[in-house]
Amino acid sequence: AQSVAQPEDQVNVAEGNPLTVKCTYSVSGNPYLFWYVQYPNRGLQFLLKYITGDNLVKGSYGFEAEFNKSQTSFHLKKPSALVSDSALYFCAVSRGMDSSYKLIFGSGTRLLVRP
Amino acid sequence: GAGVSQTPSNKVTEKGKYVELRCDPISGHTALYWYRQSLGQGPEFLIYFQGTGAADDSGLPNDRFFAVRPEGSVSTLKIQRTERGDSAVYLCASSLTSATYNEQFFGPGTRLTVL
Repeated sequence: AQSVAQPEDQVNVAEGNPLTVKCTYSVSGNPYLFWYVQYPNRGLQFLLKYITGDNLVKGSYGFEAEFNKSQTSFHLKKPSALVSDSALYFCAVSRGMDSSYKLIFGSGTRLLVRP
Repeated sequence: GAGVSQTPSNKVTEKGKYVELRCDPISGHTALYWYRQSLGQGPEFLIYFQGTGAADDSGLPNDRFFAVRPEGSVSTLKIQRTERGDSAVYLCASSLTSATYNEQFFGPGTRLTVL
């Protein structure tokens, strides 16, 4: 069965510092990986995805993520955090042997960027 | 509108009542998904439509839950004999096709509270 783990409930970082939000996955076959962000009282917003090709993918708002097949990880990164990046971040995986259109989400990581 | 819309944004009902939640996907998107997000958790898949038909309803928790998409656009999630455990945010998403490399675009959700 597919699964996603986000080991940190919350990540705290100072504005201007680099940030990393961790994600590991378990899936049969080649994964498609996604990051979404959720602001209060708003729906999930797509940030970026890995389908194939270059392991480093760039997305919206200066975010990027690195796919590491050997470590089954897809960590979200940003070189310089902004206070406005404070939100709830979800990693998700699809494909594998199971129904591939179904997104399996992690439990989320709350990012708090302090001024 | 350009995005996925959901109505109502909030619904409060009493245990045992019937509720309907509506989703209006992005125009031209053939795939539509319903997810449920409980407090402190990531969204969980409920059902997926390709066109008018429910291609996968394996995530529906029991037979009190049903969804339709009669014309291949707007979808309605129906919950009979609501229970307090049904309280959650119900998210709708759509994608251009069901191909797994297509990201899903989410609506703002309907917060259902069952008293």
